[in-house]
Amino acid sequence: DAGVTQSPTHLIKTRGQQVTLRCSPKSGHDTVSWYQQALGQGPQFIFQYYEEEERQRGNFPDRFSGHQFPNYSSELNVNALLLGDSALYLCASSFAPQETQYFGPGTRLLVL
Amino acid sequence: DAKTTQPPSMDCAEGRAANLPCNHSTISGNEYVYWYRQIHSQGPQYIIHGLKNNETNEMASLIITEDRKSSTLILPHATLRDTAVYYCIGGSNYKLTFGKGTLLTVNP
Repeated sequence: DAGVTQSPTHLIKTRGQQVTLRCSPKSGHDTVSWYQQALGQGPQFIFQYYEEEERQRGNFPDRFSGHQFPNYSSELNVNALLLGDSALYLCASSFAPQETQYFGPGTRLLVL
Repeated sequence: DAKTTQPPSMDCAEGRAANLPCNHSTISGNEYVYWYRQIHSQGPQYIIHGLKNNETNEMASLIITEDRKSSTLILPHATLRDTAVYYCIGGSNYKLTFGKGTLLTVNP
């Protein structure tokens, strides 16, 4: 049984560009949450998707947007990249919005 | 979400029990206590969670005080592979609010 998978594993972008990160949830899970982890810090909640809608959102600007597909997979989009967006982006899935979250390995984004 | 306080680092000898404390004095009655760990550069790994009663699974035990203001995660026989940052989180599982956690180093 595959766990949460994310792609790509690493990515390098330049300031002002746009990026799309992808996540496939654990089998049987229908809820996906995204987190940003800066170097030396704990993960920070970005938003949660359930039934193809954004249900909860953390303190992140509108440059961060997402999508959930009918097969429960999800994308995180970041527009107008800033140097400060360099971080490990983590996806977590659960079999309902209030259930235990299981994390993927993350995508490491470097903005130059 | 409840604010949690953890020591920044702890050491433990291999084979001994590791006891990781967490204070969550502002936790409300319906908020759970969750523990995750993160091995360097990997995604956080779920360990255990509880509300009022002590909990045990194949990885660890969670002891929650009667007033729910603090808890202790116990790894009964620590191995070198248990070296990681351990996060204690108090709140809703809708949004996990991570602090800086405790870096547990297991020494041979």
